[in-house]
Amino acid sequence: LAKTTQPISMDSYEGQEVNITCSHNNIATNDYITWYQQFPSQGPRFIIQGYKTKVTNEVASLFIPADRKSSTLSLPRVSLSDTAVYYCLVGDMRYNQGGKLIFGQGTELSVKP
Amino acid sequence: DAGVTQSPTHLIKTRGQQVTLRCSPKSGHDTVSWYQQALGQGPQFIFQYYEEEERQRGNFPDRFSGHQFPNYSSELNVNALLLGDSALYLCASSPLANTEAFFGQGTRLTVV
Repeated sequence: LAKTTQPISMDSYEGQEVNITCSHNNIATNDYITWYQQFPSQGPRFIIQGYKTKVTNEVASLFIPADRKSSTLSLPRVSLSDTAVYYCLVGDMRYNQGGKLIFGQGTELSVKP
Repeated sequence: DAGVTQSPTHLIKTRGQQVTLRCSPKSGHDTVSWYQQALGQGPQFIFQYYEEEERQRGNFPDRFSGHQFPNYSSELNVNALLLGDSALYLCASSPLANTEAFFGQGTRLTVV
């Protein structure tokens, strides 16, 4: 599974757009990019997943350039409740059945009023 | 529809003891995975169960074992507890051939 690198922490203010970039230089052809969110003392929660270009859902957008060596999670107009740790994961999900997720250190996002 | 439920929520054990943690997957999910999360770290994969068999395993010693029942619920057993086993233990479930994992709230294990 490809190793990922993301900032340890980020600060933002309410109402701003937050972009968290993840580097995955060794991503393989069959790998997908997945982001999870985790609040203190809770399990991680799936946010979004993509393979290439752009994916958008009701929570976030995921931008993946053509070389797929990095990806950016975009959170529009963050609120205090978006304060959490965000994990970028890369792997071939076809045979994982949702298991064996490899988490890194994550990015601790702090949203201030 | 209940999500992934884990019990107990908190547990204190003495070094050398054994512990069993329980997980009920989300309705319709047949695959269960267990993770260990130390303070300030990301979750670490322990193992995955599907069709009552261990399908994948992470880098954990044999002191960590598990079981999956016909109703897809699962148990994580840890023998000969060490102080370093203190962590949040997370259970995740997913349906067959689906990449999204749903996590429970976790069991906070403290070994003293």
